[in-house]
Amino acid sequence: ELVMTQSPATLSVSPGERGTLSCRASQSIGTDLAWYQHIPGQTPRLLIYDASTRATGIPDRFSGSGSGTEFTLTISSLQSEDFGLYYCQHYNNWPLLSFGGGTKVEIK
Amino acid sequence: QVQLQQWGAGLLKPSETLSLTCAVYGGSFRGYYWSWIRQAPGKGLEWIGEMNSSGRTNYNASLKSRVTLSVDTSKNQFSLNLTSVTAADTALYYCARRTTVMTPFRYWGQGVLVTVSS
Repeated sequence: ELVMTQSPATLSVSPGERGTLSCRASQSIGTDLAWYQHIPGQTPRLLIYDASTRATGIPDRFSGSGSGTEFTLTISSLQSEDFGLYYCQHYNNWPLLSFGGGTKVEIK
Repeated sequence: QVQLQQWGAGLLKPSETLSLTCAVYGGSFRGYYWSWIRQAPGKGLEWIGEMNSSGRTNYNASLKSRVTLSVDTSKNQFSLNLTSVTAADTALYYCARRTTVMTPFRYWGQGVLVTVSS
């Protein structure tokens, strides 16, 4: 079973600061990884796919990197609207897929 | 603009069957992969299962014995049935679309909160 592990569980950041979120896969998934933002009360939003490609309309303060088993989502300068939950998801193990446990980004 | 609109019963008793439907507007139904995903209170996202427009299904092994997905291509709708629900099935349920099995979910429904309580 391919397991996605995110860290930290909670990231406390001040507005304007950089936030770095990690996602680890239990086996190599190449770059078949996506990041989503989930603000409570809203629909999850695709931020990054193929590990490093920003989805349409996503600000360039969001960037993704990594391959194999280690991945990172970086928010270069956190804005008030960025606080919420973030999930990674692999799509490498068809027909199965799974999400990481999530990282909550909160205001410090 | 693709929109996914969901509906279904929001309050169930233990042992009942959860039934949700997702309708697709503004885009083709055929040729895509349609999933159900849920988020229990305080928990992360959990993939439930997926169906393509031809009716081929794949399920999360932990839920497979209780889940049935179906599709009505004439109405551009697909549905989730989850039998024998318990309090552990209380969650916000989403439908979502992806283009191929090697792509992420670009489009999501608005979510339906389902509560299981006696």
